[in-house]
Amino acid sequence: EVQLVESGGALVQPGGSLRLSCEASGINFGTLAMSWARQPPGKGLEWVSRITVVDGTTHYADSVKGRFTISRDDSKNTLYLQMNSLRAEDSAIYYCATCSGSLDRWGQGTLVTVSS
Amino acid sequence: DIQMTQSPSTLSASVGDRVTITCRASQSVTYWLAWYQQKPGKAPNLLIYRASTLESGVPSRFSGSGSETEFTLTISSLQPDDFATYYCQQYSSYPYTFGQGTKLEIK
Repeated sequence: EVQLVESGGALVQPGGSLRLSCEASGINFGTLAMSWARQPPGKGLEWVSRITVVDGTTHYADSVKGRFTISRDDSKNTLYLQMNSLRAEDSAIYYCATCSGSLDRWGQGTLVTVSS
Repeated sequence: DIQMTQSPSTLSASVGDRVTITCRASQSVTYWLAWYQQKPGKAPNLLIYRASTLESGVPSRFSGSGSETEFTLTISSLQPDDFATYYCQQYSSYPYTFGQGTKLEIK
């Protein structure tokens, strides 16, 4: 059974940093591109970032470019999202997903709240 | 960036109805278009990819069509489990973008 489990969500002050993790099981993680997406409570979905497999190429939404960094550790079957210079508008549930282009399998999400 | 616009934003329907949701792209995405279903408090679930390919395990009452800039998701006969919010997403070019969502409500 495919499982993606996000962790690391928390309440953080504006300007602060946070690192999210997504641990995968039941899949051949090292062969799959991965993405992060987010959803502010009660609002729609926003794609955040994607990382490929072969060369680890990364892509970002304009809203997070230069502040967020996606990475992966295939030896630990884990995806990361380092979030710096956090803003109130970054408050959301953050989901990781396997990503062939479409976001195929999703985790349950972790809540990030940016507030003073 | 490619803008995705769904219509309607809210749709009221009854069990057994046939419903269609439309997604329009601000420029061609060829067929790189996915549809998702999301229920309250849950993560989204992939229904259709490449505009018309049904994801494994998704009931056959769901279907997708379209290309370039106009796409539709059709549910042939609504079931109680189908009342949810639906999103389209393009993955033709970065940044990937979602539509704003269509909430399917019970009439």
